[in-house]
Amino acid sequence: SAVISQKPSRDICQRGTSLTIQCQVDSQVTMMFWYRQQPGQSLTLIATANQGSEATYESGFVIDKFPISRPNLTFSTLTVSNMSPEDSSIYLCSVGRLIQETQYFGPGTRLLVL
Amino acid sequence: AQKVTQAQTEISVVEKEDVTLDCVYETRDTTYYLFWYKQPPSGELVFLIRRNSFDEQNEISGRYSWNFQKSTSSFNFTITASQVVDSAVYFCALTFNQGGKLIFGQGTELSVKP
Repeated sequence: SAVISQKPSRDICQRGTSLTIQCQVDSQVTMMFWYRQQPGQSLTLIATANQGSEATYESGFVIDKFPISRPNLTFSTLTVSNMSPEDSSIYLCSVGRLIQETQYFGPGTRLLVL
Repeated sequence: AQKVTQAQTEISVVEKEDVTLDCVYETRDTTYYLFWYKQPPSGELVFLIRRNSFDEQNEISGRYSWNFQKSTSSFNFTITASQVVDSAVYFCALTFNQGGKLIFGQGTELSVKP
């Protein structure tokens, strides 16, 4: 399985600011995804990070709020923009090579917005 | 619609008891993949098992076993002789041939008491 790291591991931010979360994989992967897990809830897909093109967003998530970059096959960033307390969540990236293979998750970024 | 239901929100058992976590899924696709992940209090998501829709063989791995039944659209997970370290939230998830997106159930929080 791939080794996935995320930075930062946690942060406390003020409302109205933005935070960029990085996801780094130790090998090239085809698929990279960003999920959000609100407190006490399940995981919800924010978007699929596409290498060299715009991310594909799920219903309820927009690029202005969650811009995503994926410059190569091992790295992606998710920015949470103009944060509010409702954005307090764990943000996780996941990676996979093929649809039929397992998706592995990074350790997550715990975000608290005051 | 694609959906995963974990009807048990919380389960509490005493150490050494056996416990079964239920997972029921809905999909129109004939090819799909089912997963179980464990999320301990530290927050990371740990992969446990993957099953494809063409393989209904049950699987055993140590104290863990999985029962996949297409006839009832269920993929249940049993822990035999539970231990305190099994305490975690367990997620069942589904993916199919649409970009690899994972659809998660709501999770079952398992508490194993000594």
